[in-house]
Amino acid sequence: KAGVTQTPRYLIKTRGQQVTLSCSPISGHRSVSWYQQTPGQGLQFLFEYFSETQRNKGNFPGRFSGRQFSNSRSEMNVSTLELGDSALYLCASSLAGYSGANVLTFGAGSRLTVL
Amino acid sequence: AQKVTQAQTEISVVEKEDVTLDCVYETRDTTYYLFWYKQPPSGELVFLIRRNSFDEQNEISGRYSWNFQKSTSSFNFTITASQVVDSAVYFCALSEESGGGADGLTFGKGTHLIIQP
Repeated sequence: KAGVTQTPRYLIKTRGQQVTLSCSPISGHRSVSWYQQTPGQGLQFLFEYFSETQRNKGNFPGRFSGRQFSNSRSEMNVSTLELGDSALYLCASSLAGYSGANVLTFGAGSRLTVL
Repeated sequence: AQKVTQAQTEISVVEKEDVTLDCVYETRDTTYYLFWYKQPPSGELVFLIRRNSFDEQNEISGRYSWNFQKSTSSFNFTITASQVVDSAVYFCALSEESGGGADGLTFGKGTHLIIQP
């Protein structure tokens, strides 16, 4: 079956612009989470969605937002881009809900460069 | 708050050597889950194993083995007879049951493993 698909894979933006990243989870997976990966901070949790509801958000400013659609596809948006937002953004999906035991399946990521 | 430490930033060994990647964690939860993921140059994190806090049995899968010790809060990963294809960045991660899956994984900084032919 198809894995987690993220688009676009690469993009370049300039400071002050905004960007929208898309994630299609594995069919049947209802939970989608997003992570930011940078050389300095490593992998950091951004937010998690389940059944179109954001259940939690990591320690990121309000410029970072997201949503999940009824088909479980998710988008994340970063407004007013800063140089420090340059990163690999990884999306992950899992089957269900309410357990820390969920195994996440990750996509290949969207690499954002902010100039 | 939870924390995962991978003290080894980079390890380089020659093919066929055994190598152990260290992982130490901190959590106040009594129920938690530990994971190892592999990240090849393509960027996609690949799941390797999950362990829950109540299961301290060591696990072996082919050339891979994992040693979970609650007494030392460690979950180490050993690759036996390493191969060039094992070259990647390996991440240890923690999830607390109290978060209900909504808190995400807490990752270590990763260990870059280089297997030289």
